Amino acid sequence: DSGVTQTPKHLITATGQRVTLRCSPRSGDLSVYWYQQSLDQGLQFLIQYYNGEERAKGNILERFSAQQFPDLHSELNLSSLELGDSALYFCASSVAWGLAGNNEQFFGPGTRLTVL
Amino acid sequence: GQQVMQIPQYQHVQEGEDFTTYCNSSTTLSNIQWYKQRPGGHPVFLIQLVKSGEVKKQKRLTFQFGEAKKNSSLHITATQTTDVGTYFCAGLSQGAQKLVFGQGTRLTINP
Repeated sequence: DSGVTQTPKHLITATGQRVTLRCSPRSGDLSVYWYQQSLDQGLQFLIQYYNGEERAKGNILERFSAQQFPDLHSELNLSSLELGDSALYFCASSVAWGLAGNNEQFFGPGTRLTVL
Repeated sequence: GQQVMQIPQYQHVQEGEDFTTYCNSSTTLSNIQWYKQRPGGHPVFLIQLVKSGEVKKQKRLTFQFGEAKKNSSLHITATQTTDVGTYFCAGLSQGAQKLVFGQGTRLTINP
């Protein structure tokens, strides 16, 4: 158990719909990262937040957005869903970010999204 | 932008054989991390290398960071079935603020 929680574990929805994935980081971690992992694919970095502020962006589609709240939990919003958005979405957290210090990432169990 | 390439993409070995995965970055790295993801699981941090030419060992796993800080390797001696999974490297470029993950090497083992 990494200490990072993600809900829901599974999500099945239809094309065109909107969903929200939730992540609670480890206690004390200020940085939250979101990744997308498609079947047999690597980890595609989406976006990173540190203490409520966006710090880095990866290959995140315009249909996707995220935020980190004052209590440090984060939500990833996926809208106008397409079949190709079906994937495992991981959240990770770390104490610091970049070169600021210890940036070992602790991953949550993931949310498996299926778009039908 | 920064790219991190990992080879091979897949590796199948007999139990007891050695295994090596290689990671190459298009830019000089400040540090590199390695993660392992078991089938059906989530990535788990293994180690971080920071110094040029650094070598670290964890039991049967040996991690190396190249002298130029642009490449790294993970070597497993005498693989066991518990080593099955996908191994990812992740590099932090000098001056950058985000880790870039390689595509991973998926290791399968014939018992």
